[in-house]
Amino acid sequence: QSVLTQPPSASGTPGQRVTISCSGSGSNIASSYVYWYQQLPGTAPKLLIFSNNQRRSGVPDRFSGSKSGTSASLAISGLRPEDEADYYCAAWDGSLSGYVFGTGTKVTVL
Amino acid sequence: EVQVLESGGGLVQPGGSLRLSCAASGLTFSTYGTDAMSWVRQAPGKGLEWVSGISGSGRRTYYADSVKGRFTISRDDSKNTVYLQMNSLTDDDTALYYCAKDSLGGPHGMDVWGQGTTVTVSS
Repeated sequence: QSVLTQPPSASGTPGQRVTISCSGSGSNIASSYVYWYQQLPGTAPKLLIFSNNQRRSGVPDRFSGSKSGTSASLAISGLRPEDEADYYCAAWDGSLSGYVFGTGTKVTVL
Repeated sequence: EVQVLESGGGLVQPGGSLRLSCAASGLTFSTYGTDAMSWVRQAPGKGLEWVSGISGSGRRTYYADSVKGRFTISRDDSKNTVYLQMNSLTDDDTALYYCAKDSLGGPHGMDVWGQGTTVTVSS
């Protein structure tokens, strides 16, 4: 069961900036690292952002992550058609002793 | 290059059991303290759900409430393989199961994923 809340969808035209929010609580986002995963259609998830705001090697600097309190966000600037995918935030939850994933956001490039 | 490959999925009746395997290549489990592993599943058309994780030493295991008491994660470092024993399966366990190299809440997240193995629970 998802404990982190994300908007179901986000969209933009090529070149625009899109931001995805991820809302949690004191037992997960506020006290743990936040990660962001990208899942292209029909493929396995891929780690984009780790340690709240660190881009994985090879991830374009158009992707950036941030965290404040019990919320986190992923920003995609200079949106490109290949960015169309589902995006999930995740964090370790100390109360559950396990990971919680966000509900997922489908990004559409118009 | 580090890779993981899942196997063992299939069709099983409700109440049945299945054991998934996750073989890792390009790393040696016994060498790195951070070689924790996790299983994550995705039901058809749904989002990601973390299922279970095991520490690099194998001494610490973690489970989602939805599988606690039914699933058991283990590892065989001599075979660079992690297992997920699934018992008392229900329709809700039908999903694509991914294995991922993990840091169990540490800074690096799940940085290597396999392509998944499909589990279908149906009579």
